[in-house]
Amino acid sequence: DGGITQSPKYLFRKEGQNVTLSCEQNLNHDAMYWYRQDPGQGLRLIYYSQIVNDFQKGDIAEGYSVSREKKESFPLTVTSAQKNPTAFYLCASSFSNRPGTDTQYFGPGTRLTVL
Amino acid sequence: SQQGEEDPQALSIQEGENATMNCSYKTSINNLQWYRQNSGRGLVHLILIRSNEREKHSGRLRVTLDTSKKSSSLLITASRAADTASYFCATLTGGGADGLTFGKGTHLIIQP
Repeated sequence: DGGITQSPKYLFRKEGQNVTLSCEQNLNHDAMYWYRQDPGQGLRLIYYSQIVNDFQKGDIAEGYSVSREKKESFPLTVTSAQKNPTAFYLCASSFSNRPGTDTQYFGPGTRLTVL
Repeated sequence: SQQGEEDPQALSIQEGENATMNCSYKTSINNLQWYRQNSGRGLVHLILIRSNEREKHSGRLRVTLDTSKKSSSLLITASRAADTASYFCATLTGGGADGLTFGKGTHLIIQP
């Protein structure tokens, strides 16, 4: 899991509520990412951020929002507009714009269940 | 859309045997990476192979890349029970800070 932490590990929410997932890294990485994983599936990119105060939509950004106010933190908000939010959410980070350092380091994940 | 597709979806072998997993992708890549995921956990990076490389080793892992066939293979030699996990290939098509595109994974079970 490296120097990336995600909290909480398990999260339960009622339908219609917004919820924010935390992701913090102490690796001094510039880039951070959020992925979603459904059972038996690979990861799909939600949002990513290359530098502070900048972020880009991934493949499935609808119903999600992010912020990048600090280099170390990249919180993800799952809004009530997300139609099927129950999933395993993984945060990752990497050096950016540095050739040969494209490896992504993943946090332990947050399992969100919407009741 | 899924860029990489792993094959087989699941593989069960005896401890000590070699395990081979394959990955195919559709578009040109910058590099291809293999990750391991233990049940309910985050992903762990195993190995990265660049588009101009053909083979790479790391301990008991051997990765090959054939860009003409748009395919890669991961070989785990002398398998151990602790190798039981899901293995994903991921491709980087952007300039380094773009997200990875993952396949659905191969679930490997090592029987003692």
